Amino acid sequence: GQQVMQIPQYQHVQEGEDFTTYCNSSTTLSNIQWYKQRPGGHPVFLIQLVKSGEVKKQKRLTFQFGEAKKNSSLHITATQTTDVGTYFCAAWFLSGNTPLVFGKGTRLSVIA
Amino acid sequence: DVKVTQSSRYLVKRTGEKVFLECVQDMDHENMFWYRQDPGLGLRLIYFSYDVKMKEKGDIPEGYSVSREKKERFSLILESASTNQTSMYLCASRAGRDYGYTFGSGTRLTVV
Repeated sequence: GQQVMQIPQYQHVQEGEDFTTYCNSSTTLSNIQWYKQRPGGHPVFLIQLVKSGEVKKQKRLTFQFGEAKKNSSLHITATQTTDVGTYFCAAWFLSGNTPLVFGKGTRLSVIA
Repeated sequence: DVKVTQSSRYLVKRTGEKVFLECVQDMDHENMFWYRQDPGLGLRLIYFSYDVKMKEKGDIPEGYSVSREKKERFSLILESASTNQTSMYLCASRAGRDYGYTFGSGTRLTVV
């Protein structure tokens, strides 16, 4: 089946360092969404990207959708301990009301 | 805010028992989903529903069934619980294709 590959699986950073997670597909994506799951919590919707080359920002978080709509990234500038958690990308491959396909997530640890 | 409520946070059941996991959303969402989350495997779709009395199989429906008699309620049923169904179960809903998922807090099910 269709899938999205997310890398890295784990990332440990010192507080203040930057962090990036990548989401890749061999097939063109329709839309992509990003979610954050805090330890012991549930995934929470962050953002949706729709257009080729789209860039969106939320404070220290920058989300990007590739020109070919086959990849996406989430970049966090100057990480803080509150950024700890697992970040998931989730994508649609087809038009229509299909379920999202989730990546396996990147677990971020921030060392104070 | 949309609320997705899962009836139990923790549940312990015996092998062979019939188990009901309940999920209720309060925002009149058409679409509802059941996922299980296991370490290293990410979020895997069990079943989903786009309307009352409608259900579709996801990626791992074996051993599960669902019921959606009312729009706000989507129940996951383990017909005969087995130890390999020990997992975190997450319910989600969304208003439509261009919207993010809202997840419930999850039910951690242990089958002994």
